[in-house]
Parts: sequence; C-alpha cells; structure tokens
Amino acid sequence: GAGVSQSPRYKVAKRGQDVALRCDPISGHVSLFWYQQALGQGPEFLTYFQNEAQLDKSGLPSDRFFAERPEGSVSTLKIQRTQQEDSAVYLCASSLAGQGGYGYTFGSGTRLTVV
Amino acid sequence: GNSVTQMEGPVTLSEEAFLTINCTYTATGYPSLFWYVQYPGEGLQLLLKATKADDKGSNKGFEATYRKETTSFHLEKGSVQVSDSAVYFCAPDTGRRALTFGSGTRLQVQP
Repeated sequence: GAGVSQSPRYKVAKRGQDVALRCDPISGHVSLFWYQQALGQGPEFLTYFQNEAQLDKSGLPSDRFFAERPEGSVSTLKIQRTQQEDSAVYLCASSLAGQGGYGYTFGSGTRLTVV
Repeated sequence: GNSVTQMEGPVTLSEEAFLTINCTYTATGYPSLFWYVQYPGEGLQLLLKATKADDKGSNKGFEATYRKETTSFHLEKGSVQVSDSAVYFCAPDTGRRALTFGSGTRLQVQP
C-alpha cells in the first residue's frame, strides 16, 4: 500500500480484556517496529521484526505483550489481560532496512484506552 | 545507556520568528540522526536526517547539523509559520536498529 496502515484507529478495552492491534506495512518493507507512546511523551520502542523474524523484543513491558509477523508482512501486537497503564497510542513503523540512515514510515497509530 | 535530551516545551513564537529546538544525545559510535514531526491528529513524519558528522539535513526550511563534538543535532528554522505548529522529536538511531526518541517539543506559532 501507499503507507503504513494500522487498525483499529481507536480501541476501548475493559481492564482484563485481551486486545489485538494490526499493522499493515508498506509493501516490500523488510523491517517493522512497534512503539508505545504515552500521552505527552515520545514513542518508546517495543519490538522489531526483520521479515518474519523477531530480532528484538527487549522493549515489551511484560509477558502480557506479544507480537508476531508470521509471513513477513502484516504484524499483530497482542496485549493480554489489559491494565490501565497499557493505555497509550501504539505506533507501527516500517522501513526498507534496519540499518542506520533509513528513516521510518509510521502509521497513524492505534489509541488504546483501558477502562 | 543511550538517551536523548530535548528542550522542554511548549515553545511559543510569533509568525516569522527564528526557531531553535535543542537536542543532545548519548550513544555509542556515530548514529544516524533524525528529526520527526507530529502534526495534530496525525502520525509521526520524518522531517530530516543526517548520517555522518558535519552533515546538514534540511527540509521545508528546517535545518539541523550533525555535531559530533557536542553530540548535538539542534533543529532550526529562520522564519516559522502557523502551519509549523506541531510536536518535534529528535531521534538518534542508536545502533539497535530502532530509534530512541526524545520526549518531544511542542511548538506553537501564533499569527
């Protein structure tokens, strides 16, 4: 596609509910990143994929967070048993390669509100 | 560890004023450096970048120079417009193939 597409745009979840956030990167982009952006803060790195391989998941805040990219294209970020502190905008970005010098294209994000 | 320090906002300027948003970073080696911009209600967009020391990135009248000696990448614009009102993020590529973002600086330009 022309850009990085994320869905849903907004999600309200009751505490304890499981959620799944989808990211559809630019076609042909090898690298895919997930970031979490709390209100008034900069994005914080969650995890990184190169094709289908998850090369870095050091930013995932707990074992309730899980990400996958089974065919090296669409990725899903799953949050189990959501908590209020999970409320944030979840951003997906893709790039041609993960090396320095390449800027990323970001999606518009999914705003998750846990009530 | 790697970190980014940006000047705190909001920065409020009148139209046509000169803009500087300071950014300093710590990182191993010589990372590529980026400025991203987030307009109200929109996702982050790459504004400009520099990949090695003394490089100057520029776009839409904005400029930033990669200063290795001071590990800085300050953003400047000679004459801001109301349409430049947004949040600006400094982000070095710290070598883990991901970006480390500053906390962002909100710019408000008044007519």
